[in-house]
Amino acid sequence: AQSVSQHNHHVILSEAASLELGCNYSYGGTVNLFWYVQYPGQHLQLLLKYFSGDPLVKGIKGFEAEFIKSKFSFNLRKPSVQWSDTAEYFCAVNTKGGGNKLTFGTGTQLKVEL
Amino acid sequence: NAGVTQTPKFRILKIGQSMTLQCTQDMNHNYMYWYRQDPGMGLKLIYYSVGAGITDKGEVPNGYNVSRSTTEDFPLRLELAAPSQTSVYFCASRQGQDNQYFGPGTRLTVT
Repeated sequence: AQSVSQHNHHVILSEAASLELGCNYSYGGTVNLFWYVQYPGQHLQLLLKYFSGDPLVKGIKGFEAEFIKSKFSFNLRKPSVQWSDTAEYFCAVNTKGGGNKLTFGTGTQLKVEL
Repeated sequence: NAGVTQTPKFRILKIGQSMTLQCTQDMNHNYMYWYRQDPGMGLKLIYYSVGAGITDKGEVPNGYNVSRSTTEDFPLRLELAAPSQTSVYFCASRQGQDNQYFGPGTRLTVT
């Protein structure tokens, strides 16, 4: 079965530190990849997405992610985090089969300290 | 556009009660989804729909039912609430392979 792994469950950083959150997926075919963010008490919002083309994609709020096909990875990065980036981050991949479903990772809780 | 709206925002149910979680989208999306979110577990798909009149089970459908009589609405029904259904429920919609748009969620507690 298709799966998405996010190995960092909790990350604590100081403001201005660099961020990299890992995401690996298990699916050998063509994939569409997404990163979503969920701020405390809110719903999920799209950060960025990869469908094809340049494997380095840029999203909102200074986030970017790199698709490395050979490693089945789609890691999220930000050069300098802010306190307002405190949130939960979810990686997702389109699921094989009907319904255009997404398979989500279990999420990474990021806390940025002042 | 309001996007995806959900009601209610919060609800407390007693074991064995039933309720319907409402979801409406105004983007004319064909695909709609119901997820539950539990701490540390990510999002689990309960049911989905590829268009009006068509629904299918997701990963965790037991204890739930859905209907899709219109493009806009995708209600989720809990018939006999159980403590294991305490969760946050999110509805989402999608057009084709684009990203999913999520509603604000319903926090349900079953006691």
